[in-house]
Amino acid sequence: DAGVIQSPRHEVTEMGQEVTLRCKPISGHDYLFWYRQTMMRGLELLIYFNNNVPIDDSGMPEDRFSAKMPNASFSTLKIQPSEPRDSAVYFCASSLLLTYEQYFGPGTRLTVT
Amino acid sequence: AQKVTQAQTEISVVEKEDVTLDCVYETRDTTYYLFWYKQPPSGELVFLIRRNSFDEQNEISGRYSWNFQKSTSSFNFTITASQVVDSAVYFCALINSGGSNYKLTFGKGTLLTVNP
Repeated sequence: DAGVIQSPRHEVTEMGQEVTLRCKPISGHDYLFWYRQTMMRGLELLIYFNNNVPIDDSGMPEDRFSAKMPNASFSTLKIQPSEPRDSAVYFCASSLLLTYEQYFGPGTRLTVT
Repeated sequence: AQKVTQAQTEISVVEKEDVTLDCVYETRDTTYYLFWYKQPPSGELVFLIRRNSFDEQNEISGRYSWNFQKSTSSFNFTITASQVVDSAVYFCALINSGGSNYKLTFGKGTLLTVNP
């Protein structure tokens, strides 16, 4: 089975533009997580879903960030409008159960100029 | 409050040396799970091990071993006879299982550099 798939792998955009990151979890996994990784703040959990329902979005930095999971095989993380401080690597991960190991995608490196 | 501390920000060793990465955690729950992940220079995070709070048995997998001690709230990771390919950032993580209010916490990571 394929692992977690993320697209795009790299995104460069200008401040103020809308950015959409995509994720396809491992088939059969009920949990999907979005993380952000920066040098300054390390690995931060932004939001996670269970069976397509957002459970904890306390890590979402502000209203410019939104995440959706319309079905079991697809999720998006949207930033609108983007700002330079949003530059980071964004990871998507999935797991069978919340207390099980997570499998991470390759990440999307976002650069906002 | 739940917390994971990896006090060692960076470690540098010479190939074939043994190295231990420390992880100290805090949680009020009696049921919890601990994890180690590896992030090589390629960037992708890779799962290494999962341990639940009721299983204090140490584990060995090849050159890797893990020492879980509830008495000191530590879950340390040792690489024996390190190799250049072990160079990576290693993360320790904790997830509690206290009722319906789950909380997932990652440590800041330890950058391990193994020099030839």
